[in-house]
Amino acid sequence: GAGVSQSPSNKVTEKGKDVELRCDPISGHTALYWYRQSLGQGLEFLIYFQGNSAPDKSGLPSDRFSAERTGGSVSTLTIQRTQQEDSAVYLCASSLEFYEQYFGPGTRLTVT
Amino acid sequence: AQKVTQAQTEISVVEKEDVTLDCVYETRDTTYYLFWYKQPPSGELVFLIRRNSFDEQNEISGRYSWNFQKSTSSFNFTITASQVVDSAVYFCALKNVLTGANSKLTFGKGITLSVRP
Repeated sequence: GAGVSQSPSNKVTEKGKDVELRCDPISGHTALYWYRQSLGQGLEFLIYFQGNSAPDKSGLPSDRFSAERTGGSVSTLTIQRTQQEDSAVYLCASSLEFYEQYFGPGTRLTVT
Repeated sequence: AQKVTQAQTEISVVEKEDVTLDCVYETRDTTYYLFWYKQPPSGELVFLIRRNSFDEQNEISGRYSWNFQKSTSSFNFTITASQVVDSAVYFCALKNVLTGANSKLTFGKGITLSVRP
């Protein structure tokens, strides 16, 4: 079946602009996660959704970062007023309860 | 607090050699899951195995095997007769179940494995 999909695959933006990253989880997966992967920091957790609510937002690095999930499916991660340190690969994953997380291909964000 | 340590950063072997990737974890919880993921050059993280804290039985899947030892808080991964296609970054990860059935994964820094022909 279809895996986790993310769009865009690459995004180049100027410092100070807002960006939106999209994630389509595997159909039927109730849990959705956002992670960030950068050279210096490895794989960092950002936020987790169960259905449309976010019980754990502890990884969001600042109030410039926000995310929402609608219809228990698609999620959007928004970064406002992007900074160069936001450059990274943003990974989305989904899972069924208690089970392993399946990852999408990621969105590579470059802030110039 | 929970932590995953992958002390090896880069390993290079010649094809057909066996190689073991080490993973040591820290957690205060008694119920948790351990995972290994593979990230090939294409970039997508691929799930390899999940092991819960109550099951210390070792597992073998083809050329892959995993050794889980609670006494040393280790979950090591061995590739037998390595192949060039095994070249990738391998991540070990931990999930504490008591903080929530769908709690986040805590990842190690990853081990870059290069298999030379």
